[in-house]
Amino acid sequence: KAGVTQTPRYLIKTRGQQVTLSCSPISGHRSVSWYQQTPGQGLQFLFEYFSETQRNKGNFPGRFSGRQFSNSRSEMNVSTLELGDSALYLCASSWTVFDQETQYFGPGTRLLVL
Amino acid sequence: AQSVSQHNHHVILSEAASLELGCNYSYGGTVNLFWYVQYPGQHLQLLLKYFSGDPLVKGIKGFEAEFIKSKFSFNLRKPSVQWSDTAEYFCVVSPPRSGGYQKVTFGTGTKLQVIP
Repeated sequence: KAGVTQTPRYLIKTRGQQVTLSCSPISGHRSVSWYQQTPGQGLQFLFEYFSETQRNKGNFPGRFSGRQFSNSRSEMNVSTLELGDSALYLCASSWTVFDQETQYFGPGTRLLVL
Repeated sequence: AQSVSQHNHHVILSEAASLELGCNYSYGGTVNLFWYVQYPGQHLQLLLKYFSGDPLVKGIKGFEAEFIKSKFSFNLRKPSVQWSDTAEYFCVVSPPRSGGYQKVTFGTGTKLQVIP
């Protein structure tokens, strides 16, 4: 099976702009989670989508939003970008067997905000 | 509150040395435990996982981890490291999903540098 794919891989934006990141999960995986990874804060959970519904949400401002489509692909949007939004954004899709859930990560989108 | 602590932020070893990376978590109930590895320039990969049963779990590339419930620990071990093990290692804790809700917590990571 193909792994989790994320596009684009690199992105440069300026403050105030908005950005949309895309994630395609492993075929058959219905849950998609998003994380932000920075050197100072490490990996922080943004939100999770399952069957087109947001199931869990981390502690990020409303500028961060997401959605999931019927084919389980997910997008993440950040509006009014700030310098501190520069980070590696990771997507993970989950596979559950008898309540045992494992996340598989994509390569990430590296966002630089100038 | 659920938390994960990785005490060693940066570890330097010579090839063939033995490795043990510490991971302690804070959570009162049942937990699922994972170790992920991030090689330079690559994405996070699952090394091993523990859900239940034998507390000694074996993963890929010769890694293993032991779950000690009384110590709230899930330390990662490898008897003999190679230069190719140079990477950042993350311990991850998540309780079983309850009512759809699940909190996944990552440790801060341990950077391992293996010197040839």
